[in-house]
Amino acid sequence: AQSVSQHNHHVILSEAASLELGCNYSYGGTVNLFWYVQYPGQHLQLLLKYFSGDPLVKGIKGFEAEFIKSKFSFNLRKPSVQWSDTAEYFCAVKSYGNNRLAFGKGNQVVVIP
Amino acid sequence: DGGITQSPKYLFRKEGQNVTLSCEQNLNHDAMYWYRQDPGQGLRLIYYSQIVNDFQKGDIAEGYSVSREKKESFPLTVTSAQKNPTAFYLCASSPTWTSGRVDEQYFGPGTRLTVT
Repeated sequence: AQSVSQHNHHVILSEAASLELGCNYSYGGTVNLFWYVQYPGQHLQLLLKYFSGDPLVKGIKGFEAEFIKSKFSFNLRKPSVQWSDTAEYFCAVKSYGNNRLAFGKGNQVVVIP
Repeated sequence: DGGITQSPKYLFRKEGQNVTLSCEQNLNHDAMYWYRQDPGQGLRLIYYSQIVNDFQKGDIAEGYSVSREKKESFPLTVTSAQKNPTAFYLCASSPTWTSGRVDEQYFGPGTRLTVT
C-alpha cells in the first residue's frame, strides 16, 4: 500500500519568510502527486498537481512543487508567505490507473503578520 | 453553482445511535469517496464508489456503511459499532475512477460529528 510522509506537522513563520514542506511517498510505480490546502473554515481545495513532464509544477497563490523521482519526493515551496497562507496543507499520492488517493498527515502552517 | 454539498455542518448524537451523513454532488462525477479527518492524522479513506450501485471498503471501513443508489448521492452511515465516531467527515468526488487523465478529487465542506 502507498504511504505518504509529511514532516514537521506544525510550522510557524513570519510573513515574507520562505516556506518549504516536505512530502515523501513509498509507491515505486507511476504516480500522480497532489498538494491540497485547507484554509480555516473552508473546503479542501487543490493547490497543484503533477502527472508528467516538467517536474517543477506551479500552482495557485504563488506555490510550486518539485517532483524528484529518485527521492520519491514532492516538496511544496513558496518564496514569500503571507498571513493568508495560514492553513493546513496535505500531500496526496495516486497510483496510475485509479483515483484512490493516499494522504499524508498534513502540515499546519501558521503565518504571523 | 456546481459542487458538493454535505449536510448538516454539525451533528450531535448519543452513543449507541446510528447516524447518516449526507453527500450530494451535481458535478456529474462517477466516483465518490468518504474520508475521515482527525487532528494530526490526515485524511483516511472509509469507502469509495466508482459507479452507481457499486462501492468498496477503504482503509477504515469498520463501523461504517454506505449506499450508492443514485449517481449524485453517496450517504454514509456511522453505526454504533464504530468505536471512535467523533470526527470530521469529508465527502469527495472525481470524474472517473480509472483514467489516463489526472482527475483530482473535489471536496465538500465536511460534517463534524460529535458522539457523546
